[in-house]
Amino acid sequence: AQTVTQSQPEMSVQEAETVTLSCTYDTSESDYYLFWYKQPPSRQMILVIRQEAYKQQNATENRFSVNFQKAAKSFSLKISDSQLGDAAMYFCAYRRKAGNTPLVFGKGTRLSVIA
Amino acid sequence: EADIYQTPRYLVIGTGKKITLECSQTMGHDKMYWYQQDPGMELHLIHYSYGVNSTEKGDLSSESTVSRIRTEHFPLTLESARPSHTSQYLCASSEYGTGEKGTQYFGPGTRLLVL
Repeated sequence: AQTVTQSQPEMSVQEAETVTLSCTYDTSESDYYLFWYKQPPSRQMILVIRQEAYKQQNATENRFSVNFQKAAKSFSLKISDSQLGDAAMYFCAYRRKAGNTPLVFGKGTRLSVIA
Repeated sequence: EADIYQTPRYLVIGTGKKITLECSQTMGHDKMYWYQQDPGMELHLIHYSYGVNSTEKGDLSSESTVSRIRTEHFPLTLESARPSHTSQYLCASSEYGTGEKGTQYFGPGTRLLVL
């Protein structure tokens, strides 16, 4: 069974600095999707960034980028120029491409941003 | 922008009451999901559906039941609420078929408190 591990339960970053959240996963599949979701306090879960495993290029969305290392099964999220609004729970998730399977989520990392 | 709605947003109810949490989406998505999440904690998949008249149990055993009579609607029912059911319930949906990217879109959640 696929598993997703987020080894950092909590992280903090100074405003305007850069922080990296780690995620590793275990799978025997070769084609799959990886996601980072953000859940602000008492607010809706939203997609931050998505990566398709067959694409070599790391996905980027404005200040958010990933470091996708397929061989190492690693999918870290880098947040540049951190803002107070980035404070949230961040969940890493995996989904195999074939078949009907739900997302597999990690346990989450709580990110605090210090002014 | 995802359009997925959950009602009620907050519910306080006594033990033994029957409750139904509503979830609707206007995106025509075939796949829908229910997660249980204690605040700031990991998500647990409790039910999912890949289409009308299709429902499956998730990873976490739950005393709740679901139905999928219409594509856009995926209600969750607790026949007899107990304090152990106190939690947040998140509904999500995603596309199905070739070209779908596996992204799940989440509703705002229902916070349930059973006294």
